[in-house]
Amino acid sequence: RKEVEQDPGPFNVPEGATVAFNCTYSNSASQSFFWYRQDCRKEPKLLMSVYSSGNEDGRFTAQLNRASQYISLLIRDSKLSDSATYLCVVKQGGGADGLTFGKGTHLIIQP
Amino acid sequence: SAVISQKPSRDICQRGTSLTIQCQVDSQVTMMFWYRQQPGQSLTLIATANQGSEATYESGFVIDKFPISRPNLTFSTLTVSNMSPEDSSIYLCSVETVSGNTIYFGEGSWLTVV
Repeated sequence: RKEVEQDPGPFNVPEGATVAFNCTYSNSASQSFFWYRQDCRKEPKLLMSVYSSGNEDGRFTAQLNRASQYISLLIRDSKLSDSATYLCVVKQGGGADGLTFGKGTHLIIQP
Repeated sequence: SAVISQKPSRDICQRGTSLTIQCQVDSQVTMMFWYRQQPGQSLTLIATANQGSEATYESGFVIDKFPISRPNLTFSTLTVSNMSPEDSSIYLCSVETVSGNTIYFGEGSWLTVV
């Protein structure tokens, strides 16, 4: 079983729509959770951390379900510029050796 | 956050040669790491760059192939030695800041081996 699993997509979504995707993780000892965004031929950039209580940043909402071991990302009023690959990242402890990356979900916003 | 500069940003190299990638951070950071991202794949940790001592390598990566230096808290280098086409990849420097547990990435070095 893969440690961090994401639906690779692509998700083709019309501009202005709401889109959501999930990520599941296998290690119940995971402590921290993140969504990174990676544009084509660019480095990953932190989109948001995911907190147990859920958190919102503008059009983006992230939620964590520890019992079911998944995190989600919701994008409202999607923009063309939201087209990217979204990486789910799970951290077991301190340092990058505890980081596990999903393979990413490809999102394409269509005009 | 931290500003991370990597160079070269891209290079095309002949097989059998070696390339050294540099990573400079604008502030002191606790941890520096090197990742590889092969085409269509997610990120794979190569090693943790330790200041003043040998890097800590992940399974499948060895010092002879990927020697790493970290002479101070803001600078590190990764060398890809005796390159083959299978080494064609993006190599990413990343750091963990002193203040938090978030990882930031440099812009990456795109390596093509021909």
